[in-house]
Amino acid sequence: DADVTQTPRNRITKTGKRIMLECSQTKGHDRMYWYRQDPGLGLRLIYYSFDVKDINKGEISDGYSVSRQAQAKFSLSLESAIPNQTALYFCATRKTGEETQYFGPGTRLLVL
Amino acid sequence: AQKVTQAQTEISVVEKEDVTLDCVYETRDTTYYLFWYKQPPSGELVFLIRRNSFDEQNEISGRYSWNFQKSTSSFNFTITASQVVDSAVYFCALSEAKDSSYKLIFGSGTRLLVRP
Repeated sequence: DADVTQTPRNRITKTGKRIMLECSQTKGHDRMYWYRQDPGLGLRLIYYSFDVKDINKGEISDGYSVSRQAQAKFSLSLESAIPNQTALYFCATRKTGEETQYFGPGTRLLVL
Repeated sequence: AQKVTQAQTEISVVEKEDVTLDCVYETRDTTYYLFWYKQPPSGELVFLIRRNSFDEQNEISGRYSWNFQKSTSSFNFTITASQVVDSAVYFCALSEAKDSSYKLIFGSGTRLLVRP
């Protein structure tokens, strides 16, 4: 079984809809991240969390919110989706004291 | 400011050729970490290697090797005897110790196509 899972894997939604992307991990890592990838670009950080109740904005947090419900779960919400939020979204985890981040399989989101 | 540059947008080689993917980084931090990730056509991101700024030893793992040179701020990746399964987008990334988030700063990626 995958250590970092994301649901859904693919989603099509309409402008103005609220949508939630979920991330779960079994690696026991305390730190979790949400990134987005646009075609031809690398990934950019949206939000990150060091533990439950700890939420921090990344470089492109506008239009997004997150929730860290438990150490193993980190959700990303688009309150009112817009077409330029069409992208590939990745969740990543990291253990304090270690530098490597491990990524989930990604969620492809299309906003019409 | 921190930055990662992968100048090669796309590379096409014939199977069994050797290929080198270039990565140049910028940072003012004295302690930092460099990474390579592979993104196959299926879309997931696969971790390949991490290098610490204080460890300039090159590394070899099977057909993969990495050359880290602080003098030129480069962390290049070579695939020897390439195979079709190596076709993917490869990302170089940087994180800085002074940044408490340890966020990854990615290059724009190099798409490698290995033709049979």
